[in-house]
Amino acid sequence: AQSVAQPEDQVNVAEGNPLTVKCTYSVSGNPYLFWYVQYPNRGLQFLLKYITGDNLVKGSYGFEAEFNKSQTSFHLKKPSALVSDSALYFCAVRDAVSSGSARQLTFGSGTQLTVLP
Amino acid sequence: GAGVSQSPSNKVTEKGKDVELRCDPISGHTALYWYRQSLGQGLEFLIYFQGNSAPDKSGLPSDRFSAERTGGSVSTLTIQRTQQEDSAVYLCASSLWGGSTDTQYFGPGTRLTVL
Repeated sequence: AQSVAQPEDQVNVAEGNPLTVKCTYSVSGNPYLFWYVQYPNRGLQFLLKYITGDNLVKGSYGFEAEFNKSQTSFHLKKPSALVSDSALYFCAVRDAVSSGSARQLTFGSGTQLTVLP
Repeated sequence: GAGVSQSPSNKVTEKGKDVELRCDPISGHTALYWYRQSLGQGLEFLIYFQGNSAPDKSGLPSDRFSAERTGGSVSTLTIQRTQQEDSAVYLCASSLWGGSTDTQYFGPGTRLTVL
């Protein structure tokens, strides 16, 4: 079974400060990890993913995430937050050894990021 | 190019009525997914289509829910005899080939309200 935890329902950060949104995962095999962002009344927008290779993954809009296998974490980061980054962020995982047609993503519960001006 | 589109964007219905939700995937994408996003429940997988293979229906919450995908493209999610607990945002996603490393691209969703 695969699962994802986002321990913080809400993260507040001042504009210009670095931001971190936390994500930990549990899978049987190797993980494939994804971050999505959801703006109000919109669908999920893909930010970045980790499949293999370099543990630091760079994505859209200046976001990056660091894969840490020993801590089973995949935290989303940005060096300097913008007010426009305020949104709901979802971490998702898929187990590389998913059997059959189990290709769906398992999502965390989401973290509401608010960047204060 | 065009992304995933869904219609209607909003649907209000009365308890007991049937509803149909439509999803148009990105052109050329062979895999299509339906998810449900409920307040307090997060994102819940419903069903997965890949090419001509039998769909993975393991996430459908009851036999009132069904989905089909015609011609390997457009998909319709049908909810029969709707209940108030069916109220949620229904999200459709598509991906190029449905593999484990594939990125899923989501539509804007259909907000269903059952009165």
